[in-house]
Amino acid sequence: EADIYQTPRYLVIGTGKKITLECSQTMGHDKMYWYQQDPGMELHLIHYSYGVNSTEKGDLSSESTVSRIRTEHFPLTLESARPSHTSQYLCASSFPPPGDTQYFGPGTRLTVL
Amino acid sequence: DAKTTQPPSMDCAEGRAANLPCNHSTISGNEYVYWYRQIHSQGPQYIIHGLKNNETNEMASLIITEDRKSSTLILPHATLRDTAVYYCIVSPEGGCGNAGKSTFGDGTTLTVKP
Repeated sequence: EADIYQTPRYLVIGTGKKITLECSQTMGHDKMYWYQQDPGMELHLIHYSYGVNSTEKGDLSSESTVSRIRTEHFPLTLESARPSHTSQYLCASSFPPPGDTQYFGPGTRLTVL
Repeated sequence: DAKTTQPPSMDCAEGRAANLPCNHSTISGNEYVYWYRQIHSQGPQYIIHGLKNNETNEMASLIITEDRKSSTLILPHATLRDTAVYYCIVSPEGGCGNAGKSTFGDGTTLTVKP
């Protein structure tokens, strides 16, 4: 079982608020990822990181930002939440090569009113 | 990057083997075949992966055709708890520059019935 954690698990917040979704892993993985998933829909990669001080945008454009100051920590921030940000956000990290085995956290279900 | 094609849904009787197919006809030589599953909006769970050879672990077996253009995930004795969405993806070897190249499609919804 992978040691990757996300907090909060559920968040209901009003429009315009700044929020930070936390993701931590204790496996020392260099690569980490953020995905966004609406109910019943496919996962979309929104951010990833190769390691400390590395951040890249994923396939799906997102108004969120990420940072990677420490290996184990990859927080995602929304400066001003909107109802269109309502979704599930999943964090993952992956083992070193060969391959790209990703281990996922439990997710944060965000509702913006 | 190679894409995959999976049937949208499958049913399987409890206790029987579930065979989930995946086509990846444009797979390149350094791309691995990965299988994950997602149970009711939880985070996806890694199942198994392979490059060329068939693989087996405590969860499942992975059969990859010799030309690597398709594969089958086998759950040998399906249980009700195996009901989930199963994703087949192809992913580069994971070296620098390859992060973020794995694409999760719609997957196959497997329903295990009593």
